[in-house]
Amino acid sequence: GAVVSQHPSRVICKSGTSVKIECRSLDFQATTMFWYRQFPKQSLMLMATSNEGSKATYEQGVEKDKFLINHASLTLSTLTVTSAHPEDSSFYICSAREGSGGRGNEQFFGPGTRLTVL
Amino acid sequence: AQSVTQLGSHVSVSEGALVLLRCNYSSSVPPYLFWYVQYPNQGLQLLLKYTSAATLVKGINGFEAEFKKSETSFHLTKPSAHMSDAAEYFCAVSERGGNKLTFGTGTQLKVEL
Repeated sequence: GAVVSQHPSRVICKSGTSVKIECRSLDFQATTMFWYRQFPKQSLMLMATSNEGSKATYEQGVEKDKFLINHASLTLSTLTVTSAHPEDSSFYICSAREGSGGRGNEQFFGPGTRLTVL
Repeated sequence: AQSVTQLGSHVSVSEGALVLLRCNYSSSVPPYLFWYVQYPNQGLQLLLKYTSAATLVKGINGFEAEFKKSETSFHLTKPSAHMSDAAEYFCAVSERGGNKLTFGTGTQLKVEL
């Protein structure tokens, strides 16, 4: 149980285009989802926290107009990188949390999406 | 603000030797603490977590960690390293009942024959 998937696993796009990454909780309802980015050989940095049905909360320094997050259902959150540029190339990882019960304090991580912007 | 410090960005051990990965945390109140493992180009897998029950926490794959409040540490150990343990390990901290995880900078574990 507690499986989180991400799609696509890899994406290569041209500078200036927008890319959408999906994060799904496959066997549980995720009241909260998190988006992280990870640069090569570095740690995960939290970008934003999203609760189902409400606006995402962005971390300081993360442009909300550039990284659009939608959490429209209890099993799906999307991250759209708008007008992507080479500096947005990174590994994007989502995680999901049930929000209550014994697993409520645990985040389950997706396998990540490697974004390369040419 | 909470933070974790992982001493040693790279650790190398021989197969069969003890694994010790260090993590120290900074928090005004006892936090929740986690260890995750990441294999190349993959997401994170939870190894173990401390949430105020027993201070010695046993996780998957033979790993364990001990919460030491006096030392503000949560070091990860495994008695005997296996080649398959080679990966990146992250220590993380969160507030009790809180949302956010704050990660350390990671330790790359190399296991040699």
